[in-house]
Amino acid sequence: NAGVTQTPKFRVLKTGQSMTLLCAQDMNHEYMYWYRQDPGMGLRLIHYSVGEGTTAKGEVPDGYNVSRLKKQNFLLGLESAAPSQTSVYFCASSTGTSGGTGELFFGEGSRLTVL
Amino acid sequence: SQQGEEDPQALSIQEGENATMNCSYKTSINNLQWYRQNSGRGLVHLILIRSNEREKHSGRLRVTLDTSKKSSSLLITASRAADTASYFCATDRQGAQKLVFGQGTRLTINP
Repeated sequence: NAGVTQTPKFRVLKTGQSMTLLCAQDMNHEYMYWYRQDPGMGLRLIHYSVGEGTTAKGEVPDGYNVSRLKKQNFLLGLESAAPSQTSVYFCASSTGTSGGTGELFFGEGSRLTVL
Repeated sequence: SQQGEEDPQALSIQEGENATMNCSYKTSINNLQWYRQNSGRGLVHLILIRSNEREKHSGRLRVTLDTSKKSSSLLITASRAADTASYFCATDRQGAQKLVFGQGTRLTINP
């Protein structure tokens, strides 16, 4: 099983360019998440989805958009990249139950540099 | 803002010693989870403890939860060099459908 796969793993952008990060999971999970990790800041939630066709804002959504057109895919878009968006981005998925989110399964991360 | 706050931020011990990390949080939770991250890698789930549980074990890991103090601790016994990693607590607040992570504890095990 591949689990959670993120593409691309590395990307360098110039300020103002746009790009999309793709997250794919093969575990039939309902919930999917995008986090960013910066030195000393831990993980901060950007956007998340609790099912196909749904999205919701997390702690730091500004400058990002997401889409969940298919259950297995969760896309994170940067409309106009800024140096402050230089970070490592992690996608995660979970089964999600009435009792909570459950265990999260993470991808290996996408390292984005904005010049 | 971060829901969970880990303490200490960094911990360095000798191989074979026990390592204890603490996590405090602010609101009522469904469960609290601990994750491990090796340098440059994705996070890996270690253990989940529900709000109605007080202690849970998994191999060399022991997690406690005190909901009255809104705190949790992770104990790693008989540490090994391979335990060197960052450890994060994450809280699942009631009704939130998402996990909020703390800033992590960076654990170094010296051979």
